[in-house]
Amino acid sequence: EAGVAQSPRYKIIEKRQSVAFWCNPISGHATLYWYQQILGQGPKLLIQFQNNGVVDDSQLPKDRFSAERLKGVDSTLKIQPAKLEDSAVYLCASSLLGSPPWTQYFGPGTRLTVL
Amino acid sequence: AQSVTQLDSQVPVFEEAPVELRCNYSSSVSVYLFWYVQYPNQGLQLLLKYLSGSTLVESINGFEAEFNKSQTSFHLRKPSVHISDTAEYFCAVSGVGSQGNLIFGKGTKLSVKP
Repeated sequence: EAGVAQSPRYKIIEKRQSVAFWCNPISGHATLYWYQQILGQGPKLLIQFQNNGVVDDSQLPKDRFSAERLKGVDSTLKIQPAKLEDSAVYLCASSLLGSPPWTQYFGPGTRLTVL
Repeated sequence: AQSVTQLDSQVPVFEEAPVELRCNYSSSVSVYLFWYVQYPNQGLQLLLKYLSGSTLVESINGFEAEFNKSQTSFHLRKPSVHISDTAEYFCAVSGVGSQGNLIFGKGTKLSVKP
């Protein structure tokens, strides 16, 4: 079974530029999560989808971050414009619909560096 | 609301030595507790979990953790570590009876030296 795929694995941009990350969850997983993991900190949930609907985006900085999950499969997370403090690893995770949060599978992450 | 404190950011140990990674939590409700491991360039993996029942839980690769409600702790231990255990370990908490998501600690980097 293929795991959660993320691309790109690394991205370097300058502040005020835009960037997008892509996530392909495990086949059949209706729930998808995006996390931000700043160096020296644990992952922080940004947004949770069930199919193509948003369940929780309370910690998403909506003035610059956006996410979508068209057709309830792949998802993209966008930052526009990026700030220095957005440098982090962005993790995507997925799980079966209705399953508890600890059953989610994590992707390898995208490491973003904002200069 | 819940929070997690991992008291050590880095723990260096020699191979075959015992190790303890400390985790304390704070919550106004009952909790589920977890340890995740992140090997270099890989995603987070669930190592072990406490949901209910026996307060001592074990993983398949020799780690164990004990839920101590009075001390609000969930420390991770292994009696003899291997080089392959080098990784970052995250303690996490989730509130019982809700769809509450995982709250992670800041992580502890375990470095096992030969």
